[in-house]
Amino acid sequence: DADVTQTPRNRITKTGKRIMLECSQTKGHDRMYWYRQDPGLGLRLIYYSFDVKDINKGEISDGYSVSRQAQAKFSLSLESAIPNQTALYFCATSDPVGPKETQYFGPGTRLLVL
Amino acid sequence: AQSVTQLGSHVSVSEGALVLLRCNYSSSVPPYLFWYVQYPNQGLQLLLKYTTGATLVKGINGFEAEFKKSETSFHLTKPSAHMSDAAEYFCAVSDYGGSQGNLIFGKGTKLSVKP
Repeated sequence: DADVTQTPRNRITKTGKRIMLECSQTKGHDRMYWYRQDPGLGLRLIYYSFDVKDINKGEISDGYSVSRQAQAKFSLSLESAIPNQTALYFCATSDPVGPKETQYFGPGTRLLVL
Repeated sequence: AQSVTQLGSHVSVSEGALVLLRCNYSSSVPPYLFWYVQYPNQGLQLLLKYTTGATLVKGINGFEAEFKKSETSFHLTKPSAHMSDAAEYFCAVSDYGGSQGNLIFGKGTKLSVKP
């Protein structure tokens, strides 16, 4: 079984709808991240959480919110989806060993906002 | 602040040819550097990373990268490309200025391998 899972894998929604992307991990890591990937722009950090009570905004948090329900679960919500939020979204986890820590990525959720 | 520049958004090589993917970084402190690979329809996985010590780092699938402080570079190489190497490759630097553990990614280089 995969260590980091994301649901759904693909989602089509309409402008103005609220949607939630979910991430679960079995690695036992405290740190979790949400990124979005756009062609030619690489990965950009949306939110990150260093433990259940610690949530921080990343580079591009506007229009998004998150919830860390447990150590193993980290959800990303789009309160009112807009077309420029069409992207590939990745969840990642890491162990807190400092700046050299490796991040482990889920398979991604492809989101299309019409 | 740290940053990463990957030269070439798309690189094409023939099977058996040398693979060279370029990455330059900017960092005010000794950097921790990473290469990740993304195969089609998959998430990113770590190829290799440089933390301290030996400047030539070996990774999975025959890839290696050399940390050159004087050139602020961390280029990724593989002597002989395979068709299975076709993927997108991301260079990243650890983000000291932000929160520990965050990675700043380059924009990626898509590698195509021709038969």
